[in-house]
Amino acid sequence: QKEVEQNSGPLSVPEGAIASLNCTYSDRGSQSFFWYRQYSGKSPELIMFIYSNGDKEDGRFTAQLNKASQYVSLLIRDSQPSDSATYLCAVNIYNQGGKLIFGQGTELSVKP
Amino acid sequence: GAGVSQSPRYKVAKRGQDVALRCDPISGHVSLFWYQQALGQGPEFLTYFQNEAQLDKSGLPSDRFFAERPEGSVSTLKIQRTQQEDSAVYLCASSAQGYGYTFGSGTRLTVV
Repeated sequence: QKEVEQNSGPLSVPEGAIASLNCTYSDRGSQSFFWYRQYSGKSPELIMFIYSNGDKEDGRFTAQLNKASQYVSLLIRDSQPSDSATYLCAVNIYNQGGKLIFGQGTELSVKP
Repeated sequence: GAGVSQSPRYKVAKRGQDVALRCDPISGHVSLFWYQQALGQGPEFLTYFQNEAQLDKSGLPSDRFFAERPEGSVSTLKIQRTQQEDSAVYLCASSAQGYGYTFGSGTRLTVV
């Protein structure tokens, strides 16, 4: 079992819809959680991070964390074609410094 | 500098050649990370520095891989006797706090 798992997709949603991206992790020592966006041929860029159970909102993005279920998700409201990219979930584990464990990424396609 | 700078942007090496990849982090960032990203996969952790100290090198795939950061700023990732399986994008990231970091543009290494 991989430490961080994501559905590789592709996930296709129409413009204006809500895109829901999911991630599960195996290590209960995981303490902080990150979502990165990666356009084709580019490097990952940080969208959001979350440490506590519940929801965290930033503009059109909402991160949701459920530590009991070892599950973190990213919701993108009013999806735009420019949101089409691969979304990477990453986890930082307690006592492992700043090291992040990444999932394989979910490819999102927003159709006009 | 304004961002994390990596060079070269692209590198083609013949199998068996040695290569050196450079990373210039954001000025003042204490933590520096190297990741390897194969096509269609998420980044895989290689190694981590805090200032000049290499605190974690557990992700280096073999003793052909070596990283250094002698003055706590610029870092070099060296790969000796390159193999085809070393072909990947090598990403460098830096952080002031140790996580939630900023990636450079990466070096795409192709071993032929």
